[in-house]
Amino acid sequence: SQQGEEDPQALSIQEGENATMNCSYKTSINNLQWYRQNSGRGLVHLILIRSNEREKHSGRLRVTLDTSKKSSSLLITASRAADTASYFCATAIIQGAQKLVFGQGTRLTINP
Amino acid sequence: SAVISQKPSRDICQRGTSLTIQCQVDSQVTMMFWYRQQPGQSLTLIATANQGSEATYESGFVIDKFPISRPNLTFSTLTVSNMSPEDSSIYLCSGQRQGLNEQFFGPGTRLTVL
Repeated sequence: SQQGEEDPQALSIQEGENATMNCSYKTSINNLQWYRQNSGRGLVHLILIRSNEREKHSGRLRVTLDTSKKSSSLLITASRAADTASYFCATAIIQGAQKLVFGQGTRLTINP
Repeated sequence: SAVISQKPSRDICQRGTSLTIQCQVDSQVTMMFWYRQQPGQSLTLIATANQGSEATYESGFVIDKFPISRPNLTFSTLTVSNMSPEDSSIYLCSGQRQGLNEQFFGPGTRLTVL
């Protein structure tokens, strides 16, 4: 079963604004990752945050992780039209092989 | 990043037929996975492709329906057998390098079953 729940399911903002997407999960994790998918193509890895980290930055991306609430957020600052895509969180559980469980995704549209 | 290629990129198939999807990864990849993404949905892991042995399937997926091969480290195939319209999805392979947690994805195969 899917572990990750994301909200919102869809987000539409103006270019230059910030976009925030949230992800919640159910079980203990080793790490949480965010991926981007453009128009039903392959996924691109954006950023990984480990269970012992609380915040991480990469360029215009900022990810937070709250393991007590089993939730994460992805912030994209100063959005651009090229950021239009679907964004998925994926959790890697502690036990077993390094398998990823994906959330339902957020469809982000940046309006010029 | 790893280089992962898939073929075909898309196909339209008739009900009851089978389609084999190929995935080629670069030599630094150790683990390979197959996912299904139904229309408008998220990714669901089908199986982990094991080199030289039977794949490890997730709950809800069986070898008779989705036979997987991985004859060597850098190549794997997924067959979608006895297809029905419900099998219409994007099928993606991914690879993971030793010691790293992120996965690299192929461009996907968009399958439509009529």
